[in-house]
Amino acid sequence: DAGVTQSPTHLIKTRGQQVTLRCSPKSGHDTVSWYQQALGQGPQFIFQYYEEEERQRGNFPDRFSGHQFPNYSSELNVNALLLGDSALYLCASSYQRDSFNNEQFFGPGTRLTVL
Amino acid sequence: LAKTTQPISMDSYEGQEVNITCSHNNIATNDYITWYQQFPSQGPRFIIQGYKTKVTNEVASLFIPADRKSSTLSLPRVSLSDTAVYYCLVGDKKDNDMRFGAGTRLTVKP
Repeated sequence: DAGVTQSPTHLIKTRGQQVTLRCSPKSGHDTVSWYQQALGQGPQFIFQYYEEEERQRGNFPDRFSGHQFPNYSSELNVNALLLGDSALYLCASSYQRDSFNNEQFFGPGTRLTVL
Repeated sequence: LAKTTQPISMDSYEGQEVNITCSHNNIATNDYITWYQQFPSQGPRFIIQGYKTKVTNEVASLFIPADRKSSTLSLPRVSLSDTAVYYCLVGDKKDNDMRFGAGTRLTVKP
């Protein structure tokens, strides 16, 4: 049973460019959340997708957008990259209707470097 | 969401029991307490979740006093591989906005 997978593993971009990160959730999961983790800090919630819609959003600008596909996989898009966007981007999946536990399973992340 | 406070770092030795305490004075009635573990360059991994009293699984125990204003993660007989950052989160089970703080960096020494 594959866990959460993310691609690419590493990415280098320059300021002003756009980037797309991809995530495939754990088998059986229907909800995908994205987090940004700067060096030495805890993950910060960006947004969550369920039923192909953005359900909740953290304190991130509109430059950050996403999409969820019918197979539950998801993309995170960041436009007009800034140096401060350099971080580890984590994807987490869960099963929305699990009323007992909202445990999220995280992927290994994509390391984005903006030069 | 309730704010959490944890020690920035802790040191321990192999074979010892480690207790990491998290303060959450503003915890709400519907809030649960969840702990995650994160190794370098990996995503966080769920350890344990509880609401009150004590919860135990194969990895750890979680102790929550009656007032629920704090909680303690207990790791029995740690090994070098337990060196990681441990995060305490407090929130409603269905709250999707998980607020990670800076976490506690645990270093286990031989």
